[in-house]
Amino acid sequence: GAGVSQSPSNKVTEKGKDVELRCDPISGHTALYWYRQSLGQGLEFLIYFQGNSAPDKSGLPSDRFSAERTGGSVSTLTIQRTQQEDSAVYLCASSLGTGDEQFFGPGTRLTVL
Amino acid sequence: SQQGEEDPQALSIQEGENATMNCSYKTSINNLQWYRQNSGRGLVHLILIRSNEREKHSGRLRVTLDTSKKSSSLLITASRAADTASYFCATEGYNDYKLSFGAGTTVTVRA
Repeated sequence: GAGVSQSPSNKVTEKGKDVELRCDPISGHTALYWYRQSLGQGLEFLIYFQGNSAPDKSGLPSDRFSAERTGGSVSTLTIQRTQQEDSAVYLCASSLGTGDEQFFGPGTRLTVL
Repeated sequence: SQQGEEDPQALSIQEGENATMNCSYKTSINNLQWYRQNSGRGLVHLILIRSNEREKHSGRLRVTLDTSKKSSSLLITASRAADTASYFCATEGYNDYKLSFGAGTTVTVRA
């Protein structure tokens, strides 16, 4: 079946603009995760959704970052008033449930000028 | 914050040779997962090993886990040029679902 998909694959924006990144998880996966990868920080966790439970937002670096997951499927990560330090590859993953393999999408490369 | 540390940071081998990389971590885990990444984009899942398992195999890959030493190893046998990539270990802690990644090992397989 289809894997995790993300869009756009690349996004270039100007400092101060808002951006939305989309993630389509594997069908039937109840858990969805956002991570980001940057040269200085490596791979770091951002936020986690599991079923109808409240999301774990403990990894979000600032209140400019938010995410939602509609209907238990598609998720959108929003970054408001982007800064240059937000430049990174944003990766989405999904798993059947907690403790299962996490499968990653191809990522969105965000560049903030 | 990163829990895992991979060793070595970089590895260069001849095609056909075996490649071994190690991962150490700090806190108790539920499972440990190994990933491959090509060209800085998506992560390809290789193997998940649970805390009550000691060894797992998948094709040319062999993963071991020693929870007493808080370490894991990934062995790639009979390497191929296509194995050239960065390899990451990631740990999932008890009652924790997010993965903590190491900095990765860059493997170059020379033809």
